[in-house]
Order: sequence, then structure tokens, then C-alpha cells
Amino acid sequence: DQQVKQNSPSLSVQEGRISILNCDYTNSMFDYFLWYKKYPAEGPTFLISISSIKDKNEDGRFTVFLNKSAKHLSLHIVPSQPGDSAVYFCAATIDSGGSNYKLTFGKGTLLTVNP
Amino acid sequence: GAVVSQHPSWVICKSGTSVKIECRSLDFQATTMFWYRQFPKQSLMLMATSNEGSKATYEQGVEKDKFLINHASLTLSTLTVTSAHPEDSSFYICSARPQGYTFGSGTRLTVV
Repeated sequence: DQQVKQNSPSLSVQEGRISILNCDYTNSMFDYFLWYKKYPAEGPTFLISISSIKDKNEDGRFTVFLNKSAKHLSLHIVPSQPGDSAVYFCAATIDSGGSNYKLTFGKGTLLTVNP
Repeated sequence: GAVVSQHPSWVICKSGTSVKIECRSLDFQATTMFWYRQFPKQSLMLMATSNEGSKATYEQGVEKDKFLINHASLTLSTLTVTSAHPEDSSFYICSARPQGYTFGSGTRLTVV
């Protein structure tokens, strides 16, 4: 049972345009969501996160939107740059009270930003 | 920011031997560390949760006698793959709290 789903294995966009990466989840207990960027043979690099009490969080070119009723979140990258080309993982966890709960990852989306 | 160091970054071993992977939190104390595994083009799958001073909690389907986890201090957790076989070849990554969910750089294990 896959609790975090990234249904698009890949996405290709032009430099300067917006990249939108989507993620759906099924476990209503999840209350904290994260996006990671990953290159082959490297550990994931944290990008941005959002708590379930918010519906939007922005950090520079990266914005994450959360729609709790739809159990859906998305990562927007504007403007996209060639250096953004990587695999992006969506992850979710139960963070209430600062508990040390595991992250559940989606399968990732390979983003390619073309010059 | 929080740094998690993982060593070695890659290792090749013969089938039947054991390999130890270290995960260190460099600038914070980590009461809990997590060990993940990633097969090619797959997601990161949690193997076990390592708690300082107590036994690790393994996910369903992960052999605790094969993947030995030790978390003897607040800054170090180790994963030992015992009697490694080619199917254990994978990318192993650790992460630590409480400084967010910071990941190590990963270890590429190849069993020949």
C-alpha cells in the first residue's frame, strides 16, 4: 500500500518556465510534508516543507501548496533553471509533538530543465 | 545547519562477508536515526529506526539478524550488513533528527 504517490515519473520544462511537481497521499494522519532533491548516488537534499496547519509555504523560487481535503500537495519552482534537473521526492510524516516518526517517500519525479 | 556524515560513500565486498556503514551527526545529538535503502530508480524505503541506547525497530520484511544496527552514542549509528549477498547491493542512506530530517550522503554497496 503506497501511502505517498508521485504519479509522474518524469517532467520536462524549459528554462525560465514554471515546474509543477505533484504528490498525493492517503494517510490522513500525516501532518508534515517535505520535498527533497536528489542526484544519483547522493543523499537527498532538503528543499522545503509544510505543516498541515498551513496551505502554502514559500522559500525563494520554491513554493509548496497543500490541499488537505484533496490529500494533495505540489511543489512549484519558478523560474526553473537547468541546475534544478534532478529527481524530486515528496515525503510525509506524523510530526505531532515532535515525535521521531519515519518519513514515507513517494517514488520520485525526474525533472529535466532544458536550456 | 545540521550535518549528517556517512561513511564509506561506496564499498565493494565479496559475497559472504560483512560490511559496516557509519552514520554520524556532526553538530547535534541525534537520539533517533533512520536507515533507508534505495534500489535503482526506486523510492527510499525505511529499513529501521535506530534509537540511542536501545534496540532498533525494524520495518516489516527487513531481517534484523542480517542488518545489525547499533546506536551506542548520541552521534553515531552503525548499520552492519552481515553475510552480504549480491541482492543486498543497494544505496543505503541514514537520516537523523532532531535537526529536521537531515540525510547523510549515502553509501553505495556492491556485493560481488
